Amino acid sequence: AQSVTQLGSHVSVSEGALVLLRCNYSSSVPPYLFWYVQYPNQGLQLLLKYTSAATLVKGINGFEAEFKKSETSFHLTKPSAHMSDAAEYFCAVSEGPGGTSYGKLTFGQGTILTVHP
Amino acid sequence: GAVVSQHPSRVICKSGTSVKIECRSLDFQATTMFWYRQFPKQSLMLMATSNEGSKATYEQGVEKDKFLINHASLTLSTLTVTSAHPEDSSFYICSASHGQTNQPQHFGDGTRLSIL
Repeated sequence: AQSVTQLGSHVSVSEGALVLLRCNYSSSVPPYLFWYVQYPNQGLQLLLKYTSAATLVKGINGFEAEFKKSETSFHLTKPSAHMSDAAEYFCAVSEGPGGTSYGKLTFGQGTILTVHP
Repeated sequence: GAVVSQHPSRVICKSGTSVKIECRSLDFQATTMFWYRQFPKQSLMLMATSNEGSKATYEQGVEKDKFLINHASLTLSTLTVTSAHPEDSSFYICSASHGQTNQPQHFGDGTRLSIL
């Protein structure tokens, strides 16, 4: 079984400030981890993914995330927030090869990021 | 990048109507498609997994006779909400995968279903 916990349903930062969105996961097999962004009334856009290669993953729009197995974490960061980053962000986990239900995503509850001037 | 088209984007209809939602992968063959439901201010909940040419696998608690899924080709899956009622109102999102283990899902833009 897998689960994802996103700490903080709302995060507010100033434009230009560091963005940190927290994600912890639980998985009985080596996981694949993803961050998606959702704008209002739209589907999800993939920001980045971890699939057992480099632990520091760089994504689109200046975002990156680091897989820390010892902490079961996959926090999302961006050095400098932009107004256009305001959206809802979802962390997701799936089983990697060998899992009985690989490919199926389990999502966290989401974190709404607000960026103020 | 990979594109998934979902249609319609919004549906408003009367209670008892059946509604069909289409999900198409435009530039790749999607061996697997997923259907999600998202309630307001909540996360996505997987409803079913659809593999081309076979019956969909439904998650626990999802009525297969209520939510009919067809995946007749490598580029098209449909979700039909049969005899829809107000409690079926929600945001439905599909996603498609290339089928390889390390390939991410690509999402459609969702369908806002409102049952009056």
